[in-house]
Formats: sequence, structure tokens, C-alpha cells
Amino acid sequence: GDSVTQMEGPVTLSEEAFLTINCTYTATGYPSLFWYVQYPGEGLQLLLKATKADDKGSNKGFEATYRKETTSFHLEKGSVQVSDSAVYFCALIVWGGYNKLIFGAGTRLAVHP
Amino acid sequence: DAGVTQSPTHLIKTRGQQVTLRCSPKSGHDTVSWYQQALGQGPQFIFQYYEEEERQRGNFPDRFSGHQFPNYSSELNVNALLLGDSALYLCASSLGAAGAQSEAFFGQGTRLTVV
Repeated sequence: GDSVTQMEGPVTLSEEAFLTINCTYTATGYPSLFWYVQYPGEGLQLLLKATKADDKGSNKGFEATYRKETTSFHLEKGSVQVSDSAVYFCALIVWGGYNKLIFGAGTRLAVHP
Repeated sequence: DAGVTQSPTHLIKTRGQQVTLRCSPKSGHDTVSWYQQALGQGPQFIFQYYEEEERQRGNFPDRFSGHQFPNYSSELNVNALLLGDSALYLCASSLGAAGAQSEAFFGQGTRLTVV
């Protein structure tokens, strides 16, 4: 079945460090891929998305490229801030069904000054 | 636009009791999906409602049921609560015609604690 695998956390970085959170997926169709962010005590916010192979999603300095050949959608940011501390979820939808999101387990990021 | 609103934000129930959680979708959306997020885990799909009917269901027992009203709002009911039902319950709304590529918007969630 369809699934998403993320690198385990927590990821602990100093402010201004480079961030990579790995995400790979398995899907029977042609999925769209998402990164959601969850700040402490809050629900999920869409961070970025990509709908087809080689698309790059970007938002707030975060980027991820849809790599069909490696079935990956790794999240990157060049210089993290303390305010980026949160849990990040990679997710997919295979369109054409009833559009349920399938999430990875999440990766906690902690950024220290 | 109020976005997706859920109520209550927190509640505590005793094992064996029943609970009802509520969700109002984003304006213009007609589909509501419910997810369970256990502590330290990713959200798991419970079911989806469209046109007042359950359209798809995840791997959850029949103790979990729902309803959608004509105004598109929705309720999630859980009967015979177990300790393992303690989780954050998230509601997501979208536009729901089958096959439509509609972004899902999430509410803040309801934190359910079963004691």
C-alpha cells in the first residue's frame, strides 16, 4: 500500500545551520507530495507541496523537490531559526480516489540559539 | 474566513464513556476528513464525509462513527472509550468531488484524554 517514511528525530541544530529532513514514499499511482508543520499545541499547517515529478515546492525559505526516480521529497532550509522548531510531517495523496492524506511519523526539529 | 474550527479544544473522559467531537469546515468546502494523531505519531485517517455520507474509511473499529450535516459541518463519535483512544483528533476540510485535487485545511484539533 501507499506509505511515507521519514528520518527519525529529534533533529537538533544551532541557529543558521543547514537543515535536511529525509522523506521517501511508496505509492501505486502518481501522488502529490506535501510537507506539513505542527508547532507546539497546534494543528497542521501546509508548508509546501509538489504535484508532479521534478516540481520544487518552496515556502518561508524551505524547499523540497519531487524526485520520482528516487521516490523522495527531502525538506531543506539553508539557515534555520529558533522559530522553525516544530514537528515536520511528510505526506502524500494519490489523486483519483477520495484524496486521503497519508502521513509519515513526523520529525521533531529543535533549533538552539 | 474563520478556517476550520473544532470544538472542544480539550476534554477528559473516563474509559467506557462516549464522546462527540465537532468540526466546521472552511467556507466553501464540502468535505470533511477526520484523523487521529497519537502522541509522537503522524495523523492516521479515520474517515471522510461528503454529501452527508461516509465515503471512505480507514482502519478503525466501528466504535468510531461520524455524521455530516447539510451545512457540511461534521461530528466524530467514539463509543466505549479505551485508554488507547487518547490522542489529538484533527479535522480537515476540502472540496470533495472524487478525483478533485483540492488542498486540505486542518483545524487546531481536539485533545482527548481517556482516564
